[in-house]
Amino acid sequence: DAEITQSPRHKIIETGRQVTLACHQTWNHNNMFWYRQDLGHGLRLIHYSYGVHDTNKGEVSDGYSVSRSNTEDLPLTLESAASSQTSVYFCASKEGRGTYNEQFFGPGTRLTVL
Amino acid sequence: DAKTTQPNSMESNEEEPVHLPCNHSTISGTDYIHWYRQLPSQGPEYVIHGLTSNVNNRMASLAIAEDRKSSTLILHRATLRDAAVYYCILTTGNQFYFGTGTSLTVIP
Repeated sequence: DAEITQSPRHKIIETGRQVTLACHQTWNHNNMFWYRQDLGHGLRLIHYSYGVHDTNKGEVSDGYSVSRSNTEDLPLTLESAASSQTSVYFCASKEGRGTYNEQFFGPGTRLTVL
Repeated sequence: DAKTTQPNSMESNEEEPVHLPCNHSTISGTDYIHWYRQLPSQGPEYVIHGLTSNVNNRMASLAIAEDRKSSTLILHRATLRDAAVYYCILTTGNQFYFGTGTSLTVIP
């Protein structure tokens, strides 16, 4: 069965370090998304991609970057982690650009920045 | 950006119907209404979506007001496995805008 996976599931890093969160989907979806989830804020969009070599900023993109070199993967990089980036991160993918298309979410990565 | 308003929490007895309301007074004509739910320690999962007409699927029903400024997610018989946070989302373009959702507690 097709799926979307994230790794690692849990990560603890020191302030100022760089970290990359992996997202891999086997749905062959062109559209992929990264969200963060914090108490009291629901999910907020960080970055998204409509296809290979395409990336776009979302609502809370400062301090994050993504790259899309193939259809299956959209890694999220924190160049210099800050304590404010402690959060749960979710990756999602979607088949088409239509507003009616369902998003499929990964299980999440819990990141703690000390 | 279009936004939604939902109650923070609701309770339901097991095996009874649940009506989860959502207000979206600034909805535009092309916005779809999506509902997702998030079980504890999991990613959100799709429940149902609609544009103008009421919709039914195996999980739930979606009732959309005639002016589209509100909608209601209906779980016909709540089970303990339905305890989750339910998000009402308007899709603008290719993006989803999540609010804080309604935390549903199902009482045995």
